[in-house]
Amino acid sequence: DSGVTQTPKHLITATGQRVTLRCSPRSGDLSVYWYQQSLDQGLQFLIQYYNGEERAKGNILERFSAQQFPDLHSELNLSSLELGDSALYFCASSVSYAGAYEQYFGPGTRLTVT
Amino acid sequence: GQQVMQIPQYQHVQEGEDFTTYCNSSTTLSNIQWYKQRPGGHPVFLIQLVKSGEVKKQKRLTFQFGEAKKNSSLHITATQTTDVGTYFCADSSNTGNQFYFGTGTSLTVIP
Repeated sequence: DSGVTQTPKHLITATGQRVTLRCSPRSGDLSVYWYQQSLDQGLQFLIQYYNGEERAKGNILERFSAQQFPDLHSELNLSSLELGDSALYFCASSVSYAGAYEQYFGPGTRLTVT
Repeated sequence: GQQVMQIPQYQHVQEGEDFTTYCNSSTTLSNIQWYKQRPGGHPVFLIQLVKSGEVKKQKRLTFQFGEAKKNSSLHITATQTTDVGTYFCADSSNTGNQFYFGTGTSLTVIP
């Protein structure tokens, strides 16, 4: 158990819909990362927050957005869903924002868009 | 963005054989981290390499960072069925804010 929690574990929804994925980091970790993992794409970095502020953006679509709240939990919002958005979404946390710190991954949310 | 390539993409070995995965970048890597993801699981941090030419060992696993900091390798001696999974290398950008994961090497160990 990494100490990072993600909900829900599974999500099935239809195209065009909007969903929210939730992540609670490890106690004491201020940085949260979101990743998308699909079969043919590996682990794609989406976005990073540190202590409530956006620190970096990766390959995140405009239909996707995220935020980190004062209690440090984070939410990833996916809208106008397409079939290609079906994937495993991981949240990870680390102590700091710098790359020199290991990341602890949550169990992931498996999103299926039908 | 930075491209971190891993080879091979897949590797099947007999239990007891050795296994190596390589991580290559066209640019200098800030530092390298290695993660293991078991089937159906999430990535788990294994180790971090920072210095040029660094070598670290964890039991049967040996990690190396190239002298030019453009490549890294993970070598497993005498594989066991518990080694099954996908091994990823990851590099943080120069600013340390982004993470670029390699494409991963999926290891299958045949008992």
